[in-house]
Amino acid sequence: GNSVTQMEGPVTLSEEAFLTINCTYTATGYPSLFWYVQYPGEGLQLLLKATKADDKGSNKGFEATYRKETTSFHLEKGSVQVSDSAVYFCALRTGANSKLTFGKGITLSVRP
Amino acid sequence: NAGVTQTPKFQVLKTGQSMTLQCAQDMNHEYMSWYRQDPGMGLRLIHYSVGAGITDQGEVPNGYNVSRSTTEDFPLRLLSAAPSQTSVYFCASSREHEQYFGPGTRLTVT
Repeated sequence: GNSVTQMEGPVTLSEEAFLTINCTYTATGYPSLFWYVQYPGEGLQLLLKATKADDKGSNKGFEATYRKETTSFHLEKGSVQVSDSAVYFCALRTGANSKLTFGKGITLSVRP
Repeated sequence: NAGVTQTPKFQVLKTGQSMTLQCAQDMNHEYMSWYRQDPGMGLRLIHYSVGAGITDQGEVPNGYNVSRSTTEDFPLRLLSAAPSQTSVYFCASSREHEQYFGPGTRLTVT
């Protein structure tokens, strides 16, 4: 079956620090990969996505590259802000009408 | 477009009570789903639907029922609430690769 593994959290960084959140996956077929973000008290929002190998998704200064050889989709940002404090979920799905499989999520806190 | 809407936002139930969590979308999406979010567990799929009249079970379906009589609506029913169903519930609808989530319902069962 499909699965997503995220690094353990929580993560606390100072403002302007570099961020990496690791995500690896196991899937049958050729999945699409996603990062979702959940700000305090809100639902999930799509942050970025990549639908095929070597694609790079990017949004709001965040980037992630679909690496088929290492089955990874690590999230990076060069300089985090306090407003980036949220829970981040890595996810995959293997078709337009298939289930979305989530990782457990990781809480990021950014200190001023 | 309102996107995906959920009601109520908060609910407290006593053990054994029943209730329906409402979910509606105005984007004409065929695929809709319900998740629960618990600390340290991520999001777990309860039930999903690939179109009106078609539903199927996810990872954690026990204690929940769904129906899909229209494309727009996908209600989740708790027939006899239990404390283990205390959670935050999210409804989502999907077009192609992207899922759109509602704002969530925070349910407490005492």
